[in-house]
Amino acid sequence: EADIYQTPRYLVIGTGKKITLECSQTMGHDKMYWYQQDPGMELHLIHYSYGVNSTEKGDLSSESTVSRIRTEHFPLTLESARPSHTSQYLCASSESGGYSNQPQHFGDGTRLSIL
Amino acid sequence: KQEVTQIPAALSVPEGENLVLNCSFTDSAIYNLQWFRQDPGKGLTSLLLIQSSQREQTSGRLNASLDKSSGRSTLYIAASQPGDSATYLCAVNSNDYKLSFGAGTTVTVRA
Repeated sequence: EADIYQTPRYLVIGTGKKITLECSQTMGHDKMYWYQQDPGMELHLIHYSYGVNSTEKGDLSSESTVSRIRTEHFPLTLESARPSHTSQYLCASSESGGYSNQPQHFGDGTRLSIL
Repeated sequence: KQEVTQIPAALSVPEGENLVLNCSFTDSAIYNLQWFRQDPGKGLTSLLLIQSSQREQTSGRLNASLDKSSGRSTLYIAASQPGDSATYLCAVNSNDYKLSFGAGTTVTVRA
């Protein structure tokens, strides 16, 4: 059973606030990912990390930033939230090793609403 | 750029009927394909992962097939139950661990 936790589950906040979405996993996975999902739409990768001190931007441009100081922790930050950032944010992780056989495990997501 | 399409977008069946969900992708050079289930307001639960060298994968009432050369995968759910109601997502790994997702098929199983 995968153990990956996201907090908060829901956040409603005003424009201009700084926001940090937390993601932690207890499986020791090297690889972690952030996806953005609008209702009824595909998930889009916005950030990923192959290990500590490694972060890369994903396929979808995002104004958010991430950090990876510890293996188990991969927080996402928005410096100044805008209504266009309203979406669901999903965190995932996967093991290292053979690229062909490691499934990604997902948290329950954070549903973010910017007023 | 890998494009993943899932048809139909929505499906409603009576309890007990078998479900057939389709996924197609444009670039056949893939490492693996993963099927997920997503319940409303929740994250994704991994159902099955098929390696590029495999033709199918089974888990309980679920069976997923893969035809890499034609860019297709099919998820079969036997003897559907109301608890199977959810959105099913197909995701293709074709670029260094990063997944490309379809928009999903929303399934409703009527009791």
